[in-house]
Amino acid sequence: EIVMTQTPLSVSVTPGQPASISCKSTQSLVHSDGKTYLCWYLQKPGQPPQLLIHEVSNRFSGVPDRFSGSGSGTDFTLKISRVEADDFGVYYCMQSKEHPWTFGQGTKVEV
Amino acid sequence: EVQVLESGGDLVQPGGSLRLSCSASGFTLSIYAMNWVRQAPGKGLEWVSYISVSGGSTDYADSVKGRFIVSRDNFRNTLYLQMNSLRAEDTAVYFCARKVYYYMDVWGKGTTVTVSS
Repeated sequence: EIVMTQTPLSVSVTPGQPASISCKSTQSLVHSDGKTYLCWYLQKPGQPPQLLIHEVSNRFSGVPDRFSGSGSGTDFTLKISRVEADDFGVYYCMQSKEHPWTFGQGTKVEV
Repeated sequence: EVQVLESGGDLVQPGGSLRLSCSASGFTLSIYAMNWVRQAPGKGLEWVSYISVSGGSTDYADSVKGRFIVSRDNFRNTLYLQMNSLRAEDTAVYFCARKVYYYMDVWGKGTTVTVSS
């Protein structure tokens, strides 16, 4: 099983400032088709996760461009260029290269 | 609006069984592969199972393999998760999520399963 490790596990951010979350996998997430299957989700309290980024850097429909994803192989980063009050919650990275799909432990972003 | 709705969560005794259901609105569930994901109280997300469009291909997390069975009724546009031999550690909110390509884009609000005597 691919283990996903996020750092930090918690971060306090001032609105308007940037934020960054790291996600590392124990194996390369490059699929045999050449693509890299790493997603980012945001879960707000009492709500289901919402997809932010897929395939490392592709913003999902409706996701603001202040969210960006980068990385390759086993090291990935989610960046928020200017954090807004609506961005609080727990962020998860998830690999979908192979079953079982696995999530990071989550990073709580407090604004 | 595209939505999925889970139901069937309940309080059940250890060793008991429960069947969860997932229905869709705003799209035809029968043409999508689907996943179940769970979240124990105060914990992170755990992928539980996958089922292909036809239902001919399924997969499970090791933690539930041999106890849970995922199925679908494409005529009724409904997804199921049959959970047997339930344990305390199965206590969680269970989400069904639509699989598109290699990600899950539509999630339900979840249904709560509590395993306790």
